Amino acid sequence: AQKVTQAQTEISVVEKEDVTLDCVYETRDTTYYLFWYKQPPSGELVFLIRRNSFDEQNEISGRYSWNFQKSTSSFNFTITASQVVDSAVYFCAGWDSGGYQKVTFGTGTKLQVIP
Amino acid sequence: DGGITQSPKYLFRKEGQNVTLSCEQNLNHDAMYWYRQDPGQGLRLIYYSQIVNDFQKGDIAEGYSVSREKKESFPLTVTSAQKNPTAFYLCASSISADSPLHFGNGTRLTVT
Repeated sequence: AQKVTQAQTEISVVEKEDVTLDCVYETRDTTYYLFWYKQPPSGELVFLIRRNSFDEQNEISGRYSWNFQKSTSSFNFTITASQVVDSAVYFCAGWDSGGYQKVTFGTGTKLQVIP
Repeated sequence: DGGITQSPKYLFRKEGQNVTLSCEQNLNHDAMYWYRQDPGQGLRLIYYSQIVNDFQKGDIAEGYSVSREKKESFPLTVTSAQKNPTAFYLCASSISADSPLHFGNGTRLTVT
């Protein structure tokens, strides 16, 4: 079965610091997708990125960047120059072609950006 | 605007009563999901449906039931058999199983 590990339960940073959120995805499948979602205090999860297992290129979107390393099964998320609006719970998730055809979520990392 | 609507936002019930949570989407998505969120446990899948009139149990289906009579609607019933029903419930939909999920705003259920 798939397993998503987000070892960091809570992180606090001061505004403008960079912060990296870790995610490790374990699966027996070679074809899979990884996702990151943001859950602000309002509660609704917002999709941030999807990456497939064959694409190891880093991705950058504004202050957000993602680093996927298949060799270590890691899909880490970096926020550069953090802002108070980045305060949220961030979930990593994975889907693979085997199993139940469903997405498995990690337990989430709560990020607090202090002004 | 397209999206997912969950209602109500807050729901209070007495122990032993069944309660139904509503989820409607106008995104024309085939797949719909129900997740339960508890503090420190992330999101756990209750039920999912990839097509009308078909659904499968997720990881924690005991004490819950669903129906998928229409593409737009995927209501979740929390029965009296669910031992710890107090939680935050999230409904989601996607174009296909491997596509990004679109979430509703959630329903916070409190059972006393």
